[in-house]
Amino acid sequence: KQEVTQIPAALSVPEGENLVLNCSFTDSAIYNLQWFRQDPGKGLTSLLLIQSSQREQTSGRLNASLDKSSGRSTLYIAASQPGDSATYLCACDPIGWDSSYKLIFGSGTRLLVRP
Amino acid sequence: DVKVTQSSRYLVKRTGEKVFLECVQDMDHENMFWYRQDPGLGLRLIYFSYDVKMKEKGDIPEGYSVSREKKERFSLILESASTNQTSMYLCASSRTGAGDTQYFGPGTRLTVL
Repeated sequence: KQEVTQIPAALSVPEGENLVLNCSFTDSAIYNLQWFRQDPGKGLTSLLLIQSSQREQTSGRLNASLDKSSGRSTLYIAASQPGDSATYLCACDPIGWDSSYKLIFGSGTRLLVRP
Repeated sequence: DVKVTQSSRYLVKRTGEKVFLECVQDMDHENMFWYRQDPGLGLRLIYFSYDVKMKEKGDIPEGYSVSREKKERFSLILESASTNQTSMYLCASSRTGAGDTQYFGPGTRLTVL
């Protein structure tokens, strides 16, 4: 059964710092891995999706990498800003007869960027 | 841009009431999903639908039912609301099957008193 873990659960950094959020998964049989952002009390916004055949994806100051063999993904945020403060969730889309198209989510990393 | 809308942002209901949560997507997506999100438990799938009138149970379907009469609309029904169904409910849709991005709505914060 696929399990997704995110470490750390919370992170506080000063503005301008580069930072890395970690996501690990137990089963490498995935279609893709996706990173989401969630602001307090709001829905999820998709940031980056990495297909299983890809190693990384970039969007602006965000870069996500995927290493299926080690069961890890990282989200790199360059030059962090207070507006980046949110909870970041990773989710795997598992391959399997009972996957039912559902995503398996990590519990998230709550990021605070201090001005 | 894909747009997924949910009928209410905040909802307060009483124990035993029948509750309808509505979700509409405007991109002709085949799949639609209902999740609930609770502190410490993360997002859990309640039901999903891969076609009109088709539905499949997720991880926590007990106490819920769903309806998909039209492709763009997926309703979550709480037949008799209970306090343990107080939660954030998130709807999502995706174009086809496995491997496609899921797009989420803004969420409905439901409180059952």
